[in-house]
Amino acid sequence: GAVVSQHPSWVICKSGTSVKIECRSLDFQATTMFWYRQFPKQSLMLMATSNEGSKATYEQGVEKDKFLINHASLTLSTLTVTSAHPEDSSFYICSASRGSPDHNEQFFGPGTRLTVL
Amino acid sequence: AQKVTQAQTEISVVEKEDVTLDCVYETRDTTYYLFWYKQPPSGELVFLIRRNSFDEQNEISGRYSWNFQKSTSSFNFTITASQVVDSAVYFCALSLYGNNRLAFGKGNQVVVIP
Repeated sequence: GAVVSQHPSWVICKSGTSVKIECRSLDFQATTMFWYRQFPKQSLMLMATSNEGSKATYEQGVEKDKFLINHASLTLSTLTVTSAHPEDSSFYICSASRGSPDHNEQFFGPGTRLTVL
Repeated sequence: AQKVTQAQTEISVVEKEDVTLDCVYETRDTTYYLFWYKQPPSGELVFLIRRNSFDEQNEISGRYSWNFQKSTSSFNFTITASQVVDSAVYFCALSLYGNNRLAFGKGNQVVVIP
């Protein structure tokens, strides 16, 4: 149980285009989903936290208009990188929580590798 | 603010050697959770352990063991008799009770040489 999927697993796009990444909890309802960004040989950096039906909470320094997050249902969150540029190339990872704050456990997706040419 | 420090960036060991990864954390809260994750070359994070701040018991799971010392704010991870499949990046992380936001350390790249 507690499987999280991401689609696509990798994407290559031209500079200036927008890319949408989907994160789905397959066998549980995720009240909270998280989006992380990881540059090569670096740690995971939290970009934003999203709760179903409400606006995402972005971390300091993350551009809200650049990285649009939608958490439309308890099993789906999407991250759209708008007008992507080469510096947006990175590994994007989502995670989902079942909403048990006393457990604080996040289940991670397999990641999406974005390359912007 | 919470902070997790993993000082060793890359560690190389010969197969069958033991390797210990250090994790030092900072938080003013008394209730928190500590985690270790493994990230193999494929990129997917693999959950290894969660420990809450009230449980200082050490844990062993197969070749993996963890030593939690609140007195030194450390949560160290040891791989015994390392194998090539253990080659990966290992992350230590912390979150506060009631707040799922994870603060990750920089990670330890472990390379097991056959």
